[in-house]
Amino acid sequence: DQQVKQNSPSLSVQEGRISILNCDYTNSMFDYFLWYKKYPAEGPTFLISISSIKDKNEDGRFTVFLNKSAKHLSLHIVPSQPGDSAVYFCAASANYGGATNKLIFGTGTLLAVQP
Amino acid sequence: AAGVIQSPRHLIKEKRETATLKCYPIPRHDTVYWYQQGPGQDPQFLISFYEKMQSDKGSIPDRFSAQQFSDYHSELNMSSLELGDSALYFCASSFILGEQYFGPGTRLTVT
Repeated sequence: DQQVKQNSPSLSVQEGRISILNCDYTNSMFDYFLWYKKYPAEGPTFLISISSIKDKNEDGRFTVFLNKSAKHLSLHIVPSQPGDSAVYFCAASANYGGATNKLIFGTGTLLAVQP
Repeated sequence: AAGVIQSPRHLIKEKRETATLKCYPIPRHDTVYWYQQGPGQDPQFLISFYEKMQSDKGSIPDRFSAQQFSDYHSELNMSSLELGDSALYFCASSFILGEQYFGPGTRLTVT
């Protein structure tokens, strides 16, 4: 049962344009969401997060949007750069403020930014 | 800035052998998480420790055990290894319930 889904296995974007990566979740208990970037043979690198009390969080070129009613979040990267080419994982956790916040990961989207 | 350190980076074992993976969290982080990522799969949560106590448990086989020591480093012990245990094992650390920062992973190959 995949509670966090990234329906696009891959995405190709031209340098300088906007990259939009999507993520859907099914568990309404999730209250904290994160995006990670991963290169082959390396660990996931934290990019940006958002709690369920917000609908938008911005950090430089990265913006995450959360639509709780649709159980959907998206990561916008603008402008996209060739160095952004990597696998992007969406992750979610429940019980924010509790004893643990184990992450449930999506299946990942491979982003390729073409020069 | 200091990152999460994992050792070894690569490990090759035979079936039925044991393996020990080590994780050194970012200084002052008090929570350690272990994840397993099989080929072509997303990372799956195994177990976590907060202040040296187990705080949560996921899909970790009974053949695996883990602990967090007084210096906050953690070890994942894996016994009676099976071919299906071949995977990338990531450790992550966080401060209380903050963002989790991942180490580079240990690639375990069981032959």
